[in-house]
Amino acid sequence: EDQVTQSPEALRLQEGESSSLNCSYTVSGLRGLFWYRQDPGKGPEFLFTLYSAGEEKEKERLKATLTKKESFLHITAPKPEDSATYLCAVRGNAGKSIFGDGTTLTVKP
Amino acid sequence: DTGVSQNPRHKITKRGQNVTFRCDPISEHNRLYWYRQTLGQGPEFLTYFQNEAQLEKSRLLSDRFSAERPKGSFSTLEIQRTEQGDSAMYLCASSGRTSGKATGELFFGEGSRLTVL
Repeated sequence: EDQVTQSPEALRLQEGESSSLNCSYTVSGLRGLFWYRQDPGKGPEFLFTLYSAGEEKEKERLKATLTKKESFLHITAPKPEDSATYLCAVRGNAGKSIFGDGTTLTVKP
Repeated sequence: DTGVSQNPRHKITKRGQNVTFRCDPISEHNRLYWYRQTLGQGPEFLTYFQNEAQLEKSRLLSDRFSAERPKGSFSTLEIQRTEQGDSAMYLCASSGRTSGKATGELFFGEGSRLTVL
């Protein structure tokens, strides 16, 4: 059964303090690993897709990386507006995306 | 706005009543997904459609839940005889294809929040 585990559950950073979020996964036939951002009361917003180990994607202060067992979302010099819940999901042979429970990031000014 | 649209945004109902949610996906997307999310949890898969065909329904979903996507356009999710445990955010998402291959990237609506009293 496809499974996603994210850590930590919550992360509090000072503005400018870089850190990483972890997503560990097991999946039958990886057809994509996805990162989403979710603000309170809103639907998740797509950020990145990674397809194979060694792949990296960047967007502003965020960089996502992928190995055969886990993915990291690196946040460089975060700002308060980066505060949100970050969700990881995997899509396998079953064709549907399975989500982790997310990491809630709070960036204090 | 060409994003995913969900209605109603909020629904409060009494236990035992039926409720229906509607989702209008991005027009060129052929896949449509329903997820349920409770506080502090990630989205939980419920069901998905490719065009008008329902391809998978979660084993965790009781028979009180039914979804349709007539003509492969909008979709409805109905919950019959609601229970307090059904209280959650119901999220709809759609996805499309690039160069003939399903991308897997999901574009979500704002969600429909259900409160069962």
